[in-house]
Amino acid sequence: QITLKESGPTLVKPTQTLTLTCTFSGFSLSTSGVGVGWIRQPPGKALEWLALIYWDDDKRYSPSLKSRLTITKDTSKNQVVLTMTNMDPVDTATYYCAHTPDTFSNWFDPWGQGTLVTVSS
Amino acid sequence: SYVLTQPPSVSVAPGKTARITCGGNNIGSKSVHWYQQKPGQAPVLVIYYDSDRPSGIPERFSGSNSGNTATLTISRVEAGDEADYYCQVWDSSSDHSVVFGGGTKLTVL
Repeated sequence: QITLKESGPTLVKPTQTLTLTCTFSGFSLSTSGVGVGWIRQPPGKALEWLALIYWDDDKRYSPSLKSRLTITKDTSKNQVVLTMTNMDPVDTATYYCAHTPDTFSNWFDPWGQGTLVTVSS
Repeated sequence: SYVLTQPPSVSVAPGKTARITCGGNNIGSKSVHWYQQKPGQAPVLVIYYDSDRPSGIPERFSGSNSGNTATLTISRVEAGDEADYYCQVWDSSSDHSVVFGGGTKLTVL
């Protein structure tokens, strides 16, 4: 059974850097064809994809946020870390990590429970 | 960048069939995935590769994709199907990015 769980601060100040950790079990990020993605959802709004990291350390980023995002993995700890710089109130959202078993088409299953991050001074 | 367009809302009576569309330029050439999200919960995959169902998803959920429109069909709709539904593709053009539709709120009357 695959599970993922997001962790990190619930409140960050404008201009600060957000660091979120996704801790997972039930699969290994050293297995060929596997990936982990980050997706966010502002309150009452749609899903927005942020980043993906694959088993071979290939990385993909949302074009609109690429300059602010970094995704890394620690295979030994079964963790994926996302950092987002220069946080703004519009970045207030629930942040999800999710597993993808298909690095060709990149569908997500399952998802973590999500963590709400509020950006406010 | 690639854009997916969904109707904001769809309403259907219990027992009837709901169809939720996802429009995109030549979307028929891409693989479309669908997620269900109930209030306060994380999204759940209900259809992948246009029409495949993950284990545990009822047969009432089906999908199709052709031309410029992909469709999620929910037969014999139940009150528990009321949720937001999102379509998603992988845009393998220059952007190489995941794209989500704007979501559709399914209301069971």
